[in-house]
Amino acid sequence: AQKVTQAQTEISVVEKEDVTLDCVYETRDTTYYLFWYKQPPSGELVFLIRRNSFDEQNEISGRYSWNFQKSTSSFNFTITASQVVDSAVYFCALPSYSGAGSYQLTFGKGTKLSVIP
Amino acid sequence: DARVTQTPRDKVTEMGQEVTMRCQPILGHNTVFWYRQTMMQGLELLAYFRNRAPLDDSGMPKDRFSAEMPDATLATLKIQPSEPRDSAVYFCASGPQGSTNEKLFFGSGTQLSVL
Repeated sequence: AQKVTQAQTEISVVEKEDVTLDCVYETRDTTYYLFWYKQPPSGELVFLIRRNSFDEQNEISGRYSWNFQKSTSSFNFTITASQVVDSAVYFCALPSYSGAGSYQLTFGKGTKLSVIP
Repeated sequence: DARVTQTPRDKVTEMGQEVTMRCQPILGHNTVFWYRQTMMQGLELLAYFRNRAPLDDSGMPKDRFSAEMPDATLATLKIQPSEPRDSAVYFCASGPQGSTNEKLFFGSGTQLSVL
């Protein structure tokens, strides 16, 4: 069964600090994708980044970067120079197919990030 | 920008009443998901539709919950009768094709309070 663990329940940082959100996953699939979604106070989940399992090159996109390590089943997400607008709940997610063509997106419990001005 | 639209935004009802939540997926998307979010359980998948057909509703309490897609522009989630433990935020999401590499688009959710 798919499982996503976000051990950090809440994190507080001061504006302009860097912050890393941890995600550890379990899957029996040999190839897969991983996602990060953001849920701001308005409530709507918004897609942030996607990563496939067959390319471990880590990437940077603006203030976001991610560190994917298949050997440790981790997919960590870093925000550089955090801003107050980054305050939100961040979810790591792992999609998979289950029986009869069904599709499941398994979410971690989320990490609530508070950026203090 | 295309958006998933959910109504109502908030719903307060009394135990035993019927509740209907509606979702308009993004035009052209052929997968629809219903998720429930609570503090204790986080985000739980209730139902999944592909091309309007329900492929997975194993996460849904069958005795009181039902989900349908009467047409490609409308998905509904109904609770009858509602109970206080149903209080949660219910999200609808849609995706283009149901592939594991595609991002999902979420609505703003329905905040349900059952008194």
